[in-house]
Amino acid sequence: AQKVTQAQTEISVVEKEDVTLDCVYETRDTTYYLFWYKQPPSGELVFLIRRNSFDEQNEISGRYSWNFQKSTSSFNFTITASQVVDSAVYFCALSEETSGSRLTFGEGTQLTVNP
Amino acid sequence: KAGVTQTPRYLIKTRGQQVTLSCSPISGHRSVSWYQQTPGQGLQFLFEYFSETQRNKGNFPGRFSGRQFSNSRSEMNVSTLELGDSALYLCASRFTSGGPNNEQFFGPGTRLTVL
Repeated sequence: AQKVTQAQTEISVVEKEDVTLDCVYETRDTTYYLFWYKQPPSGELVFLIRRNSFDEQNEISGRYSWNFQKSTSSFNFTITASQVVDSAVYFCALSEETSGSRLTFGEGTQLTVNP
Repeated sequence: KAGVTQTPRYLIKTRGQQVTLSCSPISGHRSVSWYQQTPGQGLQFLFEYFSETQRNKGNFPGRFSGRQFSNSRSEMNVSTLELGDSALYLCASRFTSGGPNNEQFFGPGTRLTVL
């Protein structure tokens, strides 16, 4: 069965620090998709990125970057020069090709960026 | 393009009652999934509907049910409410079910409180 683990429950940083959120996943499927979502206090999950299992290229988007490593089953997320507006709960999620749209979420990491 | 909308946003019910939540997907999206979010269990998949058919179901009791209409709008129903059903219920829409090239977008959620 699929599983996603986010070992960091809470992280607190000072503005402008870099921060990395860890995500480790388990799946038996060879085709799967990994996601990161952000949940601000309003509650809505905001899509950040999707990675396909057959594409291990790392990606950078502005201050955000993602490191996908199949060898260690990890999909880590780094925010460079963090800002107060980055404060939110971040979720890593996994979807298997055979499961349609079903997402399996990690426990989430509460990121607090202090001014 | 309007996002995913959910009604009502807040709901208070008492044990034993039933409740119906509504979700309108993004225009053109045919897949709707429902998730329950609680502090103890995190984000858990309830079910997915695609073209009016339930495509996938999570591990929830039969008190939780859903349906999808021809216009892709979806409703979920919880009968005989229990205190543990208090949660944020999130709806997500997607163009198709599964596959790599379409993202899943979430609504703002319905906060259900059972007294």
